[in-house]
Amino acid sequence: DIQMTQSPSTLSASVGDRVTITCRASQSINGWLAWYQQKPGKAPKLLISRASSLENGVPSRFSGSGSGTEFTLTISYLQPDDFATYYCQQYYSYYPFTFGPGTKVDIK
Amino acid sequence: QVTLRESGPALVKPTQTLTLTCTFSGVSLSTIGMCLTWVRQPPGKALEWLARIDWDDGKYYSTSLRTRLTISKDTSKNQVVLSVTNMDPVDTAMYYCALRTGIRAFGIWGQGTMVTVSS
Repeated sequence: DIQMTQSPSTLSASVGDRVTITCRASQSINGWLAWYQQKPGKAPKLLISRASSLENGVPSRFSGSGSGTEFTLTISYLQPDDFATYYCQQYYSYYPFTFGPGTKVDIK
Repeated sequence: QVTLRESGPALVKPTQTLTLTCTFSGVSLSTIGMCLTWVRQPPGKALEWLARIDWDDGKYYSTSLRTRLTISKDTSKNQVVLSVTNMDPVDTAMYYCALRTGIRAFGIWGQGTMVTVSS
C-alpha cells in the first residue's frame, strides 16, 4: 500500500496568516493527490484534485502544489471559516486510496 | 443535482455482519470514469478508506480489511452495498460513501451513517 504522512499534525494560527501543510507519499503517485477540509460533525469537503486543481467554489486563497511524493496545501490568508482539519488522499490507479492522518488547524 | 445517502443499522452486535447501502441520484455509476467509495471515521479519529467500486465493476479494498469487506453495485437501483463481516467494537465509526467522476477526487459525499458495535 501507499502510505501517506502529513505534517504538522496540529497547527495553531491566526486570522490572516499564511498556512502550509505538507503531505508525503511512500512512493510516487503521479500527481493523483487530493485535499479535503473537514469540520466537526460534517462530511469531508473536496478542495483540490490532481495536486493543484481547485474545485469550483473553493476560495482562491487555497492552493495546492507538488509532484512525485511531496505535496503542499497552502492557505494564503487564513479566514475564520478555515479552522478545520485537513486531509490529503492519494487516489492513484489500482492502489487502495489511502488518506493522510490529518492536520488540525486551530486558533492561536 | 447529485446526492448520496447512506443507510444501515445504527447498532450491531460483535461478530455480526454490517450491511450498508449508499443510494445515489442524479448520476449513473455505469458512466465511464465513475467511482464510488466507502470511508469510515471512528469518533475523534482520522478518515479511513475502505473500498471502492468503479463504473466497470472493478472492486478494490483496504489491504488491512480486505478479508472482511465486500462491495457491490446495483446499477438499476442506483445503489452500492458494502458488507463488513465479523464486526468488533473498534469498527464503531461514521461510515460515508462518496463519488468520484473522472480525474476529480471524491467531490460528492453522503452525510454519513453512524454505526455502533456493542453487545
